[in-house]
Amino acid sequence: EAQVTQNPRYLITVTGKKLTVTCSQNMNHEYMSWYRQDPGLGLRQIYYSMNVEVTDKGDVPEGYKVSRKEKRNFPLILESPSPNQTSLYFCASRSPGLAGITGELFFGEGSRLTVL
Amino acid sequence: DAKTTQPNSMESNEEEPVHLPCNHSTISGTDYIHWYRQLPSQGPEYVIHGLTSNVNNRMASLAIAEDRKSSTLILHRATLRDAAVYYCILRVFGNEKLTFGTGTRLTIIP
Repeated sequence: EAQVTQNPRYLITVTGKKLTVTCSQNMNHEYMSWYRQDPGLGLRQIYYSMNVEVTDKGDVPEGYKVSRKEKRNFPLILESPSPNQTSLYFCASRSPGLAGITGELFFGEGSRLTVL
Repeated sequence: DAKTTQPNSMESNEEEPVHLPCNHSTISGTDYIHWYRQLPSQGPEYVIHGLTSNVNNRMASLAIAEDRKSSTLILHRATLRDAAVYYCILRVFGNEKLTFGTGTRLTIIP
C-alpha cells in the first residue's frame, strides 16, 4: 500500500531535549516536505526537499533541521525544542505529475508534539 | 504570493450537491488551483486541481471562472464521509512552497 509513515504519532517532551520525527515514503517520490498545523493558522510549510541531498526552507523553518540522505526518508529534527513548537506535524511526499504540472501530495497521519 | 479566500464554514444536507467557493482575485497566469481536504484526525488528501478549464474526477468537479479570479469545488452528492476541512490553494508553477490557509469546514447534516 502506498503510504507516508511518520513516527512517533504522539510525543510529549521537555524544552531543550533534542528529538527527531521520522518520515518514510514507499512511493519512490523525489519531493518530500514537512508542515506544521496550528489552530487558526492552517498548515504551514517548514522545509521541503526536491531530491536526495537537496533541501530548502519553507515558510517557518526557524528551530528545525532536516536531512535527506535517502530518497525514502526525510526526518525532521528539533535540536532544542521550545514550547512554541508544540504543534501537529505532517510529512508529505509528492508524485512527479505530468509535463511539469504538480502531482498530488500524499500526507502522513501526523505527529502531535507537545513541548513542556 | 497570491492568496485565496474561503468561507470559514459551510453546512449541507446529506445526498445533496455542495458548492464550496474560493476567491483568488490576485491569481496569475501560471497559478494552478488545487483543492485538498482534511478528514478528522487525518492528514490532508488531494481532491482535484486545474488551470483554466473545468475539471472532473471521481471525487469532485472543479469549476473555474472565466477570469480565473474564483473557483468552486463541487461535490455532486455529499455523504457523511465528506465532512472535512477543504483547502483551496494556488500553486505557482516552479514554486515549491504550498500555502494551505485555514480552509472551509464542511458539515454534512444527515
